[in-house]
Amino acid sequence: KNEVEQSPQNLTAQEGEFITINCSYSVGISALHWLQQHPGGGIVSLFMLSSGKKKHGRLIATINIQEKHSSLHITASHPRDSAVYICAVRGGSNYKLTFGKGTLLTVNP
Amino acid sequence: EAQVTQNPRYLITVTGKKLTVTCSQNMNHEYMSWYRQDPGLGLRQIYYSMNVEVTDKGDVPEGYKVSRKEKRNFPLILESPSPNQTSLYFCASRERVYNEQFFGPGTRLTVL
Repeated sequence: KNEVEQSPQNLTAQEGEFITINCSYSVGISALHWLQQHPGGGIVSLFMLSSGKKKHGRLIATINIQEKHSSLHITASHPRDSAVYICAVRGGSNYKLTFGKGTLLTVNP
Repeated sequence: EAQVTQNPRYLITVTGKKLTVTCSQNMNHEYMSWYRQDPGLGLRQIYYSMNVEVTDKGDVPEGYKVSRKEKRNFPLILESPSPNQTSLYFCASRERVYNEQFFGPGTRLTVL
């Protein structure tokens, strides 16, 4: 079974700071997802990637398959970025997702 | 609007009283899943479905049943709920296995 570890568990930043959230997994995967969950519970998919790097607005996600590691970066952070960020991985041919426990990000104005 | 809907959004019930949480998607997605989210444990997969009449267990299927008789619907059934099934439940769908997931708004269930 894949173990997914996220760091840090909690992160507090000032508006405008560059944010990095890390995700490591133990077994080879076919894809990795980054999700965002705002207070109130709704979950939104931010990225799905299997190699390299993806960018959407101020968010950047990277993955290093050899090192079994992914990072989510937020540039010019804003209080509206405050949320829980969750990493999830999918194995080779199965349909299951294994989730990290999430990183709680608080961005203060 | 493309969406995944769940009903009810909130439910308080008592031990042993059968309940169903409905999930419906309007995107013609093949894959649907149910997850539960608990403090300190994160999201865990309960069941998933690859297509109509094709379902399989996730990591925590005990105490739950599902069915997929139509492509758009994937209800979660608790035949005899117990307090340890108090949780926040999410339904999700995706077009194919290698696509992003769309999540429903969540159902907060309390079993007394």
